[in-house]
Amino acid sequence: KQEVTQIPAALSVPEGENLVLNCSFTDSAIYNLQWFRQDPGKGLTSLLLIQSSQREQTSGRLNASLDKSSGRSTLYIAASQPGDSATYLCAVRSYNTDKLIFGTGTRLQVFP
Amino acid sequence: NAGVTQTPKFRILKIGQSMTLQCTQDMNHNYMYWYRQDPGMGLKLIYYSVGAGITDKGEVPNGYNVSRSTTEDFPLRLELAAPSQTSVYFCASSDLGGARSTQYFGPGTRLTVL
Repeated sequence: KQEVTQIPAALSVPEGENLVLNCSFTDSAIYNLQWFRQDPGKGLTSLLLIQSSQREQTSGRLNASLDKSSGRSTLYIAASQPGDSATYLCAVRSYNTDKLIFGTGTRLQVFP
Repeated sequence: NAGVTQTPKFRILKIGQSMTLQCTQDMNHNYMYWYRQDPGMGLKLIYYSVGAGITDKGEVPNGYNVSRSTTEDFPLRLELAAPSQTSVYFCASSDLGGARSTQYFGPGTRLTVL
């Protein structure tokens, strides 16, 4: 059964820092991995989608990498801003179920 | 283009009451999903649908029912509400399944069962 873990559960950093969020999964047979952002009381917004054949995807200050063989992904946020404060969720789509399996999220706070 | 809309935003139910959570998407997506998110946890799939008239169970379907009579709508029914169903419920849709699909989420319904 696919399990997705995110570390750390919470992170508080000063504005301007570069930071890394980690996601690990137990079954490497995946279609893709997706990073989402969730603001308090809001739905999820897709940030980056990495196909299983890709190593990384970039969007602005965000860079996500995927190492399928080791079951790991990282989300790198450059020059963090207070507006980046949110919960970040990763999710994998497994071959055997074709469903999204979510991690428990990393709650990020960036203070001025 | 509103995307995925959900009503109501908040609801308090008494044990044993029933209610329907509404979900509508205007993107003509075939795939629709219902998730629940408990505090400090990730999302768990309740039910999903690959098209009008077709539904299937997800990871945590007990205590819920769904129907999909149109492409746009995917209501979630709670028949006998229990405290364990206190959660935030998210509806999502996608145009495809599999490798290239991206799911679009609604804003959620926060449900409390007392």
